[in-house]
Amino acid sequence: DGGITQSPKYLFRKEGQNVTLSCEQNLNHDAMYWYRQDPGQGLRLIYYSQIVNDFQKGDIAEGYSVSREKKESFPLTVTSAQKNPTAFYLCASSIGRQGRPYEQYFGPGTRLTVT
Amino acid sequence: AQSVSQHNHHVILSEAASLELGCNYSYGGTVNLFWYVQYPGQHLQLLLKYFSGDPLVKGIKGFEAEFIKSKFSFNLRKPSVQWSDTAEYFCAVNARMDSSYKLIFGSGTRLLVRP
Repeated sequence: DGGITQSPKYLFRKEGQNVTLSCEQNLNHDAMYWYRQDPGQGLRLIYYSQIVNDFQKGDIAEGYSVSREKKESFPLTVTSAQKNPTAFYLCASSIGRQGRPYEQYFGPGTRLTVT
Repeated sequence: AQSVSQHNHHVILSEAASLELGCNYSYGGTVNLFWYVQYPGQHLQLLLKYFSGDPLVKGIKGFEAEFIKSKFSFNLRKPSVQWSDTAEYFCAVNARMDSSYKLIFGSGTRLLVRP
């Protein structure tokens, strides 16, 4: 089955701890994205990566970090510097050939709760 | 700045009623438009897209959308809704950023269809 997997589905952390969310795709897509979804606010872009070993900040990158060491993997770390980390996090991918718009495919999401 | 507005945050309909969800965007360049749907407990998935050509776009499950350039709109329609259409619907526009594109989402519309 081709698709995007995110794990875990639910994650609970204490305030002050860093936490890493996993995202893996087997669609052979070049581009990968991380979004944050909050009620009534739609999805907001955190980070994106067009190719391996390269990534760019999105609209709300503060308090987050990413890596892209492999084409199929794009983990997101929510650091203790993120002031409001409790949210639903969605990973997406697209064919992403530079300069061309393509639709994005989404994973099932990880719901992070920080107390 | 680019933005997408969905004016209806919550819509409640009875089965067989007609549906129209509004979407307006603010973007000066060539637009690519999308409607995504998030059924309860499921992945965000693509409902339909407009890249070019016929401004009336047909998607999955009987949905369609019309791109009206002069009104900066991309409203979603379905002539007769079913209980299974209960979901959250997101309009999105593909906006150019450097040498790639990003999706800008509206805040979403929650549709409840009563049997």
